[in-house]
Amino acid sequence: NAGVTQTPKFRILKIGQSMTLQCTQDMNHNYMYWYRQDPGMGLKLIYYSVGAGITDKGEVPNGYNVSRSTTEDFPLRLELAAPSQTSVYFCASSYPWGENTQYFGPGTRLTVL
Amino acid sequence: GDSVTQMEGPVTLSEEAFLTINCTYTATGYPSLFWYVQYPGEGLQLLLKATKADDKGSNKGFEATYRKETTSFHLEKGSVQVSDSAVYFCALSAPNTGNQFYFGTGTSLTVIP
Repeated sequence: NAGVTQTPKFRILKIGQSMTLQCTQDMNHNYMYWYRQDPGMGLKLIYYSVGAGITDKGEVPNGYNVSRSTTEDFPLRLELAAPSQTSVYFCASSYPWGENTQYFGPGTRLTVL
Repeated sequence: GDSVTQMEGPVTLSEEAFLTINCTYTATGYPSLFWYVQYPGEGLQLLLKATKADDKGSNKGFEATYRKETTSFHLEKGSVQVSDSAVYFCALSAPNTGNQFYFGTGTSLTVIP
């Protein structure tokens, strides 16, 4: 059982470049999330989705976009990369009720130079 | 709003020492409480959870009790091992905020032989 998978594991971008971080889950979870983790800090929610076609902003959405066309996939798009977006990005998923534990992917380490 | 306050680190202990990591929360509803662990270079993994007052979550020798009267969920382990070296995150999920998760800033634990 793969759980939550993320690609790529590492990426270096130049300022102004764009990229998409991929996230896929095979647990049929309705809810999916994107977090960023800055060094020595906790996790900050960027965007979340409660189901296919529905997304909403979290605490730090500026500079990012998301889409949710299927239950399994929740890509995160950076349009114009800035050094402030250097971080580790985690995708997570959960059921919305009952056991609402979040399951995390292994993360993508992004550096913007 | 809902939030989690977690004991600052880093914490360094000798093997077989007793561990306590403090966590207190603020929530308007009746949240579920979680401890997640992050090993170096990996994503977050659920360590234990409690969904209602007075529940005790336990796993791998770690325990935490949901104390509504003190709004706390302190993590304890009687005898730590080198393999417990990791970052520990306290988190809450409240149904009245769409089951969004709120994470503490994390506490880094290093166990030395």
